[in-house]
Parts: sequence; C-alpha cells; structure tokens
Amino acid sequence: DSGVTQTPKHLITATGQRVTLRCSPRSGDLSVYWYQQSLDQGLQFLIQYYNGEERAKGNILERFSAQQFPDLHSELNLSSLELGDSALYFCASSVGSSGPWRLFFGSGTQLSVL
Amino acid sequence: ELKVEQNPLFLSMQEGKNYTIYCNYSTTSDRLYWYRQDPGKSLESLFVLLSNGAVKQEGRLMASLDTKARLSTLHITAAVHDLSATYFCAVDFLLRNYGGATNKLIFGTGTLLAVQP
Repeated sequence: DSGVTQTPKHLITATGQRVTLRCSPRSGDLSVYWYQQSLDQGLQFLIQYYNGEERAKGNILERFSAQQFPDLHSELNLSSLELGDSALYFCASSVGSSGPWRLFFGSGTQLSVL
Repeated sequence: ELKVEQNPLFLSMQEGKNYTIYCNYSTTSDRLYWYRQDPGKSLESLFVLLSNGAVKQEGRLMASLDTKARLSTLHITAAVHDLSATYFCAVDFLLRNYGGATNKLIFGTGTLLAVQP
C-alpha cells in the first residue's frame, strides 16, 4: 500500500458528461501529480500541484481541470467527456515540489466513457 | 521536445536467462527512475538514479545511468516468473523559464516483460 488513496476505483459514464476524480496524498506529502494511462498514449503527465498551487502542466486538455485543497487532497475534473478520454487515471504524491523525488502512486481510477 | 523511449516494448524470456531493457531520453537530465507495474495494479518505485555512472541493484535487477549518452539500462539476471510485469523508466527534466524553473517527470513507453517457465 503506497498510502495514496484514489476514489472511485471505477467510473462508467456517457459522452458529454462531467466527472470528478479524487486523490488523497500520503501523509506529509505536499505534491500531487495526475497521470493518464492509455494503451495508445502510454503514461502521460497531466498536471502537478504543490501545497495548493499549480506547479507544472503537461498534456492536460482544456476540458480537464484540477485543484488541490488546503487539506492537500486533490480533484481532477473531466468535462465534456469523449470516448477517447477512457483511460486509467493515476494520482501520485511526493514530499517536495521538485526533484529528486520518488513518486508514490495510487491504485488509479479506471474511467470508461460509453 | 521531451521524449523518453524504451526498447524493447515487449520482451518474452525464459527463466534463468539474462536480458537488458534500454531507456533513451532526448534532453539532458541526471535524474532517472525505474518503476514496475503489475497487470491491473499501480506503479511501484524500483530505483532512483541521480548521477552519471550511478548503479543500483535489488535482487535480480540492476539499473545504471549514463547521462552523457542519455541512456539508462535495467539488467535482469537469471529471470524468474515473479519478475513478469511492465517496467517504466521516467526522466526528470528541468525546464527553465521566465520566473524560475520547473521539473517534469516524463515516463517512457514501458516494456512488458513476460518470463516463461
């Protein structure tokens, strides 16, 4: 168990809908990262937050947004969902905001858009 | 462009054999990480390599880093079935921009390792 908690584990929804994925980092970790994993794109970095502020941005679509709350948990909001958004979404956490660091990954949320 | 490439993408090997997975990256970095992912599971950190020439070993796995060649290797010695998994390398790129610098951790494509009895 990595100590990173993600909910829900599975999510099935329809195109055009909006969903929220939730992540609680390991105790003491201030950084939260979101990654998308799909067969065709591999593991893609979406966004990083550190202590409530956006730190780095990757290949995150404009339809997606994220935030980190004062208690350090994070939410990833996906809207106007398309079939291609179906993927496994991972959250990871680390102590610091910049490397070197070891990321601890949650078990992921499997999103299926039908 | 920040790119991290692994090869091979798929590796089928027999128990007891040795093999190496390669990780190449496009831009200077001296921080590289190896992760393991079991089917349907999350990623587990294996090694952290922080300097040129760094070598880390854990059981039958050994990882090394050559920052000049922008290459890391994950060597498997006398493979056993329990090592079957997907292995990812990830490179920490330092991006300097106006107002400071940020790090981006970019993952390779992954290598699916299947160890046959």
